[in-house]
Amino acid sequence: DGGITQSPKYLFRKEGQNVTLSCEQNLNHDAMYWYRQDPGQGLRLIYYSQIVNDFQKGDIAEGYSVSREKKESFPLTVTSAQKNPTAFYLCASARVGSDTQYFGPGTRLTVL
Amino acid sequence: EDKVVQSPLSLVVHEGDTVTLNCSYEVTNFRSLLWYKQEKKAPTFLFMLTSSGIEKKSGRLSSILDKKELFSILNITATQTGDSAIYLCAVLIRTSGSRLTFGEGTQLTVNP
Repeated sequence: DGGITQSPKYLFRKEGQNVTLSCEQNLNHDAMYWYRQDPGQGLRLIYYSQIVNDFQKGDIAEGYSVSREKKESFPLTVTSAQKNPTAFYLCASARVGSDTQYFGPGTRLTVL
Repeated sequence: EDKVVQSPLSLVVHEGDTVTLNCSYEVTNFRSLLWYKQEKKAPTFLFMLTSSGIEKKSGRLSSILDKKELFSILNITATQTGDSAIYLCAVLIRTSGSRLTFGEGTQLTVNP
């Protein structure tokens, strides 16, 4: 099956802990993206990457970090510096040059 | 600052009604406008619009773009309970990384 997978589906973390969200795709897409969605709000871009070993900050990168060591994988780390991390996190991918991004099922992070 | 505004933010209708969802935008370097449907998790792609005045249709859904007035509408005719979802509008700008800027979304509820 081709697609984007995110894990875990639900994640609980204590304040002060770092946590890493997984995003994997087997669509052979070069570009990958991380978004955050809060209730009643649209998606906001955290980080994106167009090519392996390169990534750029989005609109709300503070308190987050990413890596892109493989084309298929784009993990997101939510650090303790992120002041309000409870949210729904969505990963997306696209072919470079294509306007259409395809989304994974999301990870709901709750900080206790 | 790039901005995408959707209206209404919330809408409740009865099955069989026709609805019109609005999306206006103010962005530099517009490239295309996309509509997504989000039921519980991953947004799923509906339409991509790049040219003014050309209607895109898929079953009971249709959408059109007005690049002069900077808005798009999404129409759903003969609504069904399965149309209940958040409808997201996003604009792609012509910079590296193909960044999508999302509106807040319209929460549509279709009652039987």
